[in-house]
Amino acid sequence: QQPVQSPQAVILREGEDAVINCSSSKALYSVHWYRQKHGEAPVFLMILLKGGEQKGHEKISASFNEKKQQSSLYLTASQLSYSGTYFCGSRAGGTSYGKLTFGQGTILTVHP
Amino acid sequence: SAVISQKPSRDICQRGTSLTIQCQVDSQVTMMFWYRQQPGQSLTLIATANQGSEATYESGFVIDKFPISRPNLTFSTLTVSNMSPEDSSIYLCSVAGVHDSGANVLTFGAGSRLTVL
Repeated sequence: QQPVQSPQAVILREGEDAVINCSSSKALYSVHWYRQKHGEAPVFLMILLKGGEQKGHEKISASFNEKKQQSSLYLTASQLSYSGTYFCGSRAGGTSYGKLTFGQGTILTVHP
Repeated sequence: SAVISQKPSRDICQRGTSLTIQCQVDSQVTMMFWYRQQPGQSLTLIATANQGSEATYESGFVIDKFPISRPNLTFSTLTVSNMSPEDSSIYLCSVAGVHDSGANVLTFGAGSRLTVL
């Protein structure tokens, strides 16, 4: 089951904040966040393993609510380098390894 | 994390032909995955390739169309057979490995961009 991301696209000016959401109709064991810049490979940002746990990467953090089967990615004081497509990925069946199923992606554009 | 090399990086192919994409990893890995990314779309898993066993295909993908080889722990190939314009996509190889944080995550190759005319 593919996770659902929202919004589909976000346009920001440098220094503004954004939130990207990821939800699933099935129980989530973990949520992975990746960023793909145009023409490049997706790059791992962070993984959320426990309910309510927050992780950080630069000024990017994320939360994971197991009960609601949702994760949110928070981008604060955005920089031009944050532009790209953000994907959340999940693993089925409570496994901690193996294939990931990705959401449809959220395109983030940061303007000067 | 692993370093992945994919060849070719891009190609333009004629309808009805087949193309083989190579994926080389700089370390031994158990699980390798082949994803497809159609223009402006998400990453869709084609199959999981484990060394010493047949690849496991996801719903909607079949071995006759996307045969996969996994001869050793550092190499895999994906063939796109009898191509049609609908096969125009980026094909990405990825491997599972342990991140510095200790979590099991995926690392992707740069992808092979195929255009079918």
